[in-house]
Amino acid sequence: TQLLEQSPQFLSIQEGENLTVYCNSSSVFSSLQWYRQEPGEGPVLLVTVVTGGEVKKLKRLTFQFGDARKDSSLHITAAQPGDTGLYLCAGEQRGSEKLVFGKGTKLTVNP
Amino acid sequence: SAVISQKPSRDICQRGTSLTIQCQVDSQVTMMFWYRQQPGQSLTLIATANQGSEATYESGFVIDKFPISRPNLTFSTLTVSNMSPEDSSIYLCSVSGRRYTEAFFGQGTRLTVV
Repeated sequence: TQLLEQSPQFLSIQEGENLTVYCNSSSVFSSLQWYRQEPGEGPVLLVTVVTGGEVKKLKRLTFQFGDARKDSSLHITAAQPGDTGLYLCAGEQRGSEKLVFGKGTKLTVNP
Repeated sequence: SAVISQKPSRDICQRGTSLTIQCQVDSQVTMMFWYRQQPGQSLTLIATANQGSEATYESGFVIDKFPISRPNLTFSTLTVSNMSPEDSSIYLCSVSGRRYTEAFFGQGTRLTVV
């Protein structure tokens, strides 16, 4: 059973479109993180959300943590080809040093 | 943040041989993590490496297949032993940041076993 369900798994859109990626769980997380990975590179941390209901913005990216700290979303406005990559959510459970990763969303933004 | 250097960045190996991957961090860290990422897939934790103690392996991974060394607080190695084509994957090392458990990754080692 996957602890963190991430959807969609694949997303191919045109430049300028908006999109949302979801990360859902039945478990509560102390924090939830979003990473972006480009081919040939390791994942790079985009943001960490900690407080239920928290919203963080990073330029055209908006991250939200659910009120119950069980789910999160990533919204990209006016996607650019440079946004192409694998987006991963990862949750930190209380008392554990290990992260739980979702399966990832492979985003392709076509010019 | 931490800067992590991992090498080799890629290798093509014959089945039955072993490959050792090195991971160097620019600061002292307590825990280092080794992940496997199969093509287009997410990350699966192989083991957690603590300095001065045996590595802790996740379900499905064993020390004989993936021996790990952690000689000091800035360095670790992962060996993939007796390789088969099923071991073809990207192997990543990571460390935790000072806050929460956010992770910083090396660039990965892309292993192809033929």
